Amino acid sequence: NAGVTQTPKFRILKIGQSMTLQCTQDMNHNYMYWYRQDPGMGLKLIYYSVGAGITDKGEVPNGYNVSRSTTEDFPLRLELAAPSQTSVYFCASSYGGQSADEQYFGPGTRLTVT
Amino acid sequence: SQKIEQNSEALNIQEGKTATLTCNYTNYSPAYLQWYRQDPGRGPVFLLLIRENEKEKRKERLKVTFDTTLKQSLFHITASQPADSATYLCALGYNNNDMRFGAGTRLTVKP
Repeated sequence: NAGVTQTPKFRILKIGQSMTLQCTQDMNHNYMYWYRQDPGMGLKLIYYSVGAGITDKGEVPNGYNVSRSTTEDFPLRLELAAPSQTSVYFCASSYGGQSADEQYFGPGTRLTVT
Repeated sequence: SQKIEQNSEALNIQEGKTATLTCNYTNYSPAYLQWYRQDPGRGPVFLLLIRENEKEKRKERLKVTFDTTLKQSLFHITASQPADSATYLCALGYNNNDMRFGAGTRLTVKP
């Protein structure tokens, strides 16, 4: 199993550009999540999904969108990039709900918006 | 709002000693508390989960305690090794799928 994979690894965006961060898991997990991690801060949940076709907002959803058309894929969309979105983004998945089950994280995408 | 504090940003100890990391929280006690390890440039890796009705959990050289009265979890690594050097994150989980992470403690084990 590859686990959770994310692309790209690094990206530099100009203010106002848009992009999609890709996330795929091959463990047949129902739950998938997107987090951002800023220096010296804990991971903050952006969006999560409890299954294909179902998504919900986390703690910091503004400026982002997600979709979940398949069990495997959970892309994160930034529509109008802003410097405040400079961060490292992690995708994760779990078999059960995030609180009660271990999460498997991807390697992260380092995004810089200038 | 919920606040999570992990003891000091960095902890340095000598190889062979026991490392003790602290996770304190305010307000609502979580239903679950998880600990993760994160190496530079990598995603977090799950270590242990403890439920609110459990006092202690062990896995090899790792031990976690959970005191809902003190609103605190302690994470111990016994017989520490340089390979244990990493950042350790605590995460509080609630039954509504809400989960909050602490900022982490960077542990360095010196040979």
